[in-house]
Amino acid sequence: DQQVKQNSPSLSVQEGRISILNCDYTNSMFDYFLWYKKYPAEGPTFLISISSIKDKNEDGRFTVFLNKSAKHLSLHIVPSQPGDSAVYFCAASVSGTYKYIFGTGTRLKVLA
Amino acid sequence: DTAVSQTPKYLVTQMGNDKSIKCEQNLGHDTMYWYKQDSKKFLKIMFSYNNKELIINETVPNRFSPKSPDKAHLNLHINSLELGDSAVYFCASSQDPSSNIQYFGAGTRLSVL
Repeated sequence: DQQVKQNSPSLSVQEGRISILNCDYTNSMFDYFLWYKKYPAEGPTFLISISSIKDKNEDGRFTVFLNKSAKHLSLHIVPSQPGDSAVYFCAASVSGTYKYIFGTGTRLKVLA
Repeated sequence: DTAVSQTPKYLVTQMGNDKSIKCEQNLGHDTMYWYKQDSKKFLKIMFSYNNKELIINETVPNRFSPKSPDKAHLNLHINSLELGDSAVYFCASSQDPSSNIQYFGAGTRLSVL
């Protein structure tokens, strides 16, 4: 049962343009969402998060949007830089369960 | 100085063997986790310990036994290894169970032949 889905395994974007990574979920009880970034041979590192009481959270070049009715979140990176090339995982949690359900990741390649 | 370190990075072994993966965090966190990333890239939680106490135990074969000698260490012992155990295993830690941000180790790639 894949509760968190990232349907695009890969994405290529030109440097300076916007990268949009998408994530869909099925469990309406999820109330906290995170994005992690992973470089090869390293573990995932936290990037940005959003609570279900918000529909947008911004941190520098990174913005996460949450559409609860569509059970969809997206990560926008503007402007994209070559150093952003990595695998991006979204994760979701139900408060109090102490565990996150991860998607399978989207590999972003930013072309110089 | 690596915050969450796990050893070894690579582990190649034969079916039926017993192996251990070690994890240490120097962040002063109370909570530690083991995740398994399989060939389909799903990153699934296996176990979580808080202050040496088991708080999450997903549906994992009992051949997998975590051990937390202190809150800075969480080791994973696997008995009678099977082909399907081949995966990348990630250790992680967080300030406490309710913390939303987890810090991951670099992973251990286990190959069972």
